[in-house]
Amino acid sequence: AQRVTQPEKLLSVFKGAPVELKCNYSYSGSPELFWYVQYSRQRLQLLLRHISRESIKGFTADLNKGETSFHLKKPFAQEEDSAMYYCALESGSRLTFGEGTQLTVNP
Amino acid sequence: DAGVIQSPRHEVTEMGQEVTLRCKPISGHDYLFWYRQTMMRGLELLIYFNNNVPIDDSGMPEDRFSAKMPNASFSTLKIQPSEPRDSAVYFCASSFHGGAYEQYFGPGTRLTVT
Repeated sequence: AQRVTQPEKLLSVFKGAPVELKCNYSYSGSPELFWYVQYSRQRLQLLLRHISRESIKGFTADLNKGETSFHLKKPFAQEEDSAMYYCALESGSRLTFGEGTQLTVNP
Repeated sequence: DAGVIQSPRHEVTEMGQEVTLRCKPISGHDYLFWYRQTMMRGLELLIYFNNNVPIDDSGMPEDRFSAKMPNASFSTLKIQPSEPRDSAVYFCASSFHGGAYEQYFGPGTRLTVT
C-alpha cells in the first residue's frame, strides 16, 4: 500500500534562511508526487508537481527514487511562506497525503 | 466560478445527532473527493466519486459515515449518529480527470461534536 511520511509536524526558520520540508514515500509503482499548501484562512491548493519540474514561489522539489524522497526546498524563506504544507502521492485516481508540516518563518 | 462550495462552514452538534455536510463541485469536474483533516492524522481521504459513482470508500471510518452524489453538481457526507471523535475539518475537492490532475479544494466544514 502507498504511504507518505512527513517527519516534521512543525518547522521554524528565520526569514532569509534556507528551508527544507521533508517527504518520504513508499509505493511499488512509478510515483507521481505533489506538494499542496494551505495558507492561513485560505483553501488548500496545489503548489507544485514533480512531473512539471517547475519552481513555484521559489520552491523546488526533486524526486529521488533511490531514497524514495520528494523534499521541498527554498533557498531563502520569506514570511509569506508560513503555511501548512502537505506532500501527496498519486495512485490510480486518488491522492494519499502526508501528515503535513506547519512552516513558520520568523522575521 | 466560485470554486468548490461547501456548507455549512461551521457545525456544532451534540453527540448522537445526525450531521449532513454538503458540497458543490466545480462545473465540468468529473471527480469528487471527501477528506477529513485532524491534527493527529493530517488529511485523510474518506471516499471519492467518478461521474457520480462511488469508486473507493475504503477510507470511510465506519458505518456511521455515508456519502452520496445524486447528480454532477451536488454531494453529501452524512454522519449518523455523530460522536466527539468525529470532530474535524471536512474538505470536499473536485478535479477534472482525477489523480495526477490538480484537485481544487473547498473551504472546508469545521465540525465540532460535543
